[in-house]
Formats: sequence, structure tokens, C-alpha cells
Amino acid sequence: GENVEQHPSTLSVQEGDSAVIKCTYSDSASNYFPWYKQELGKRPQLIIDIRSNVGEKKDQRIAVTLNKTAKHFSLHITETQPEDSAVYFCAASEGYNFNKFYFGSGTKLNVKP
Amino acid sequence: GAVVSQHPSRVICKSGTSVKIECRSLDFQATTMFWYRQFPKQSLMLMATSNEGSKATYEQGVEKDKFLINHASLTLSTLTVTSAHPEDSSFYICSATTGADQPQHFGDGTRLSIL
Repeated sequence: GENVEQHPSTLSVQEGDSAVIKCTYSDSASNYFPWYKQELGKRPQLIIDIRSNVGEKKDQRIAVTLNKTAKHFSLHITETQPEDSAVYFCAASEGYNFNKFYFGSGTKLNVKP
Repeated sequence: GAVVSQHPSRVICKSGTSVKIECRSLDFQATTMFWYRQFPKQSLMLMATSNEGSKATYEQGVEKDKFLINHASLTLSTLTVTSAHPEDSSFYICSATTGADQPQHFGDGTRLSIL
């Protein structure tokens, strides 16, 4: 299956600063890349996603960029707030199968007030 | 909308017991459901893909006789951990989708502890 690598594993930022999480994937046919936020003991929540026909997508303080040639995509959070603290997972679809995807190893984001 | 209910939320049982976990889509019909396993502070590992009315497709390394999956209707999939042992202790999460080009919606997960 798809191999998704995610960095960094932990990230600490000061409130108001930006946070960037990066992922790479192995399957050049992958065309759907969601990002999930998971708070401790809770379900993963979809926060943003991007499809391969788009290079960038933004939703308020969250943005995702995709470089298909290099097979990497990134999550950008601006003006971070303490409630942004959580574990963030990237994922990449198995080829053209939007429904099935593989997760990265996760990034624990800590926003210090 | 798109609520997925998973039950039970927590199970503690003795080694050798079989445990059934249910995943229900409450307000939509899920053509496909997925089962994941998550170890503490680790990622979600896809175990299997479950399509209504057909056999589940298991990921490499996942024992299908150990983790029995049934997707009997468009709103219910079950995962049975047979003859569970301590190494099966983990957090199991299901997700559901309405079909192609639609996101996955996750349940709250089941924390399984085998003594």
C-alpha cells in the first residue's frame, strides 16, 4: 500500500505563530489528501482536504499545499491558538480510490499560551 | 449530519474471549466502512475495508480469521476480535463513507483491554 511519512512528530509553537506540518507519499497515482485533527481519546476530525487537480486550498487559518511532482503536501496553520493543540494526521489515497487512504504517523502540536 | 456511532466505547475482558465491536452510520447509508487500529501515540493503521454485502478486504499482515468483519447492511459493520489476547489490546476505530469521492467519517473508537 501507500507509504506516507510525516514530519515533525512533535511541534511546539507560541500562540499566534504559524505551524507547518509536512508529508510525503509514495504512490504517484494518489489523488486525494485529507488532514485530520485528533484530540486525546477522541475521533479524528477532517479539517481540510485537497485533490490532485489543485495546488493549494485555504479555509480561514488553515491551508494545505500540494506538490504532485515532488509527492509532498503540507498543512499550514496561521495565528495558532491553544485550542489548536492536538495530534494532526495527514493521509493519502490509494491511487484513485478516494475512499481508501493511509495515514502518516502524526504530529503532536502544542500551542503555548 | 454524517454521524458514525461505535459501540462499545470500552471493553475489558479476559484472554481467550471474543469481542464484537459495532459501527453504525446513523444518518446516512455507508457503502464502505473501514476499520483501523491505533496504538498509543501512534498513527491509525488500516486493517480492512468493508463493503456492504461482500467480503472484507484485509490489509497485508492482518489475520482475517482473527479479526472477523461483517457488513450486513448499509448502516452496520461489525468487527469481532476472536480469542483475544493481551497483544490485541488497542484502540479500534471505524469510519464510514457514502461512496466514491466522499470523505470518511469516524466513530469515537473502542478501547479494548485484554487481561
